[in-house]
Amino acid sequence: KQEVTQIPAALSVPEGENLVLNCSFTDSAIYNLQWFRQDPGKGLTSLLLIQSSQREQTSGRLNASLDKSSGRSTLYIAASQPGDSATYLCAVPNRDDKIIFGKGTRLHILP
Amino acid sequence: EPEVTQTPSHQVTQMGQEVILRCVPISNHLYFYWYRQILGQKVEFLVSFYNNEISEKSEIFDDQFSVERPDGSNFTLKIRSTKLEDSAMYFCASSGSGLAKNIQYFGAGTRLSVL
Repeated sequence: KQEVTQIPAALSVPEGENLVLNCSFTDSAIYNLQWFRQDPGKGLTSLLLIQSSQREQTSGRLNASLDKSSGRSTLYIAASQPGDSATYLCAVPNRDDKIIFGKGTRLHILP
Repeated sequence: EPEVTQTPSHQVTQMGQEVILRCVPISNHLYFYWYRQILGQKVEFLVSFYNNEISEKSEIFDDQFSVERPDGSNFTLKIRSTKLEDSAMYFCASSGSGLAKNIQYFGAGTRLSVL
């Protein structure tokens, strides 16, 4: 049974710092891995999707890496800004196609 | 860019009332899903739907829940008699066929508040 764990659960950093969010999953037989952003009380915004054949994806200040064999992904945020404050969710499709989400990392960027 | 649309964005209802949450999946998608997120908890799978029938459902999806594709564009989730614990954000998702089946596109969600 696929389980997704995200560490840390919460993170506060000063504006301008680079930071890394971690995601681990128990079943490495995944098709892809997706990172989402969720603002309080709001929906899911897809940030990056990495296919299983890829090692990383980049979008602006965001870079996501994937190491399938070790069951890990990281989301790197460069030059953090107060607007980056949100909860970041990692998600993988299960063998039966349902998406399994982590509980998220709640990020707070201090101005 | 095509997107999954959900209405309403916020639904308030009294306990025991029926609610219908509506979704318009991406037009050429064939697989449809509902997920739920109780405040402060993980997003969790409820049900998947393909070819006009449920493919899989979680233990949460009991007899109070039903899904329907009433026409060629809408996909609905009905809760027959709402309970306080049904208060949550409900997300609809859809995916294409073949390799595209593995990428689900999510709507913005409907916040359901049961009073």
